[in-house]
Amino acid sequence: DAKTTQPNSMESNEEEPVHLPCNHSTISGTDYIHWYRQLPSQGPEYVIHGLTSNVNNRMASLAIAEDRKSSTLILHRATLRDAAVYYCILKNSGGSNYKLTFGKGTLLTVNP
Amino acid sequence: GAVVSQHPSWVICKSGTSVKIECRSLDFQATTMFWYRQFPKQSLMLMATSNEGSKATYEQGVEKDKFLINHASLTLSTLTVTSAHPEDSSFYICSARWADTQYFGPGTRLTVL
Repeated sequence: DAKTTQPNSMESNEEEPVHLPCNHSTISGTDYIHWYRQLPSQGPEYVIHGLTSNVNNRMASLAIAEDRKSSTLILHRATLRDAAVYYCILKNSGGSNYKLTFGKGTLLTVNP
Repeated sequence: GAVVSQHPSWVICKSGTSVKIECRSLDFQATTMFWYRQFPKQSLMLMATSNEGSKATYEQGVEKDKFLINHASLTLSTLTVTSAHPEDSSFYICSARWADTQYFGPGTRLTVL
C-alpha cells in the first residue's frame, strides 16, 4: 500500500474545529483513504473513509483534494474525548489483501 | 453495530507459561481477523492474518510456533502466546473485517513476569 505522511502532533482548543492533514502523493486510483483513531490504552476506532468525493458521518468529515494526493480529516467541534492518535491509511480496494499498515499517526491534544 | 470484543482485557503470567487471548465479533460474521501487537509509544504492528477454517498467515519475523492462531468459527479467533517471556509483554489487539473496514477490539495488556 502507498505511504502517507502526517504531522507528528497537533494541538487544538475545546469546541473549535480541527483539521488533520494527510499527504499521500503516491496514491493509486483504487486506493481508499481510511482514518482511524486510537485513544489511550484502547484499540483503534474506525472514523471515516473515502475514495474521491468528500464524506461526512456523525464523527467527522473527510475532505479529499481533487488530485487525491492529500486529504484532511475535519472534527467540527473538538472535545476532550477527541484527544487521540489519528491514523491516515491507504487501502487498495482490489484483490484479497485486506491488511492495514499503520504509520505513526498524529497525536492530537485538545486543550480545555 | 460492528463490535469486537477481546478477553481478557489484561493478564499477568509467569515466564514460560502460555496465555490465550480471545477475539470475538459480536454482531457480525468475520471470515478474516487480524492480530496486532503494540509496544509503548509505538504504532500497531500486524502479526498475522487469520482466516476462518484455514491456517493463519504470519508477517515476516513473527514466529508462528510461538504465536498460535486459531480461527475455528466466523465469530471467534484466538491467539495463544506459548512459553511467554518478558519481551512478549505488550498490548495485543485484534480486528475483524466487515465489508471494506476493519473493526478493532479493545486490546489485551499482557505482562510476563
